Amino acid sequence: QITLKESGPTLVKPTQTLTLTCTFSGFSLSTSGVGVGWIRQPPGKALEWLALIYWDDDKRYSPSLKSRLTITKDTSKNQVVLTMTNMDPVDTATYYCAHGTTTWFDPWGQGTLVTVSS
Amino acid sequence: QSALTQPASVSGSPGQSITISCTGTSSDVGSYNLVSWYQQHPGKAPKLMIYEVSKRPSGVSNRFSGSKSGNTASLTISGLQAEDEADYYCCSYAGSSTYVVFGGGTKLTVL
Repeated sequence: QITLKESGPTLVKPTQTLTLTCTFSGFSLSTSGVGVGWIRQPPGKALEWLALIYWDDDKRYSPSLKSRLTITKDTSKNQVVLTMTNMDPVDTATYYCAHGTTTWFDPWGQGTLVTVSS
Repeated sequence: QSALTQPASVSGSPGQSITISCTGTSSDVGSYNLVSWYQQHPGKAPKLMIYEVSKRPSGVSNRFSGSKSGNTASLTISGLQAEDEADYYCCSYAGSSTYVVFGGGTKLTVL
C-alpha cells in the first residue's frame, strides 16, 4: 500500500522561502518509472501542478513557477522536498504530494495547508 | 485561469448518467492520449478515477468511464449515486515544456 504525507510550516511570511517534505512508503524512488509530484490548491480554487521528480533524478517544473521552485529527493529516507522562494499571499494553498508521473497522480497525500501572511 | 476548460457545475438525479467535458487545445488534450480525471470530496485529497483517457485504476467503479474526441475529453458517470457528489478535475499531459495542466474543476450535484 502506497502512502504519502506532507509536512512543513503552516504559516510563512511574505518573501520567505517555503520548504515542504513529502515522506512516503510502499514504493522506492530508486525503482524505474517512479516519480513524486507536488500539486497545490488555493482555498476554493482549482488544482495547480508544481513539480515532479523521477527515480533517475530527472526533474520537471511548472513553467510559470520554475524560477521559484526546487525539487529534490532523498531515496534513503523515502522523502521528496519542495522549496518555493519569495512566498506571497497568493501562494496560500493546500499543498499535496502524490506518487505518479506527468500523466497521472495516484495516490495523493492528505495535503498540508500553508498560509502566507505577515 | 486554468489551462483546460470544464463546466463549473453539473447535476443529475440518482440512477441517471452525466457527462463532464474538458476542453483543451491541440497542444495538450488533442495531442496526447494522456488525460486523467480526479474526484475530490470536500476536505479530502483528490483520487484518481481515470487515466490515459479511458483506463480505470483497480478499485474504481465501472460506472466511471472516459473518452476523448479532438481537443475535448469527457468523463461519464452512469447510475449516479449520492456518493458521487464531489468536485471533478481533468488533467492532461501538455508536452515537454508545459508538462501538466489541470482543468478548473466541475462540481457534481446529485439531486
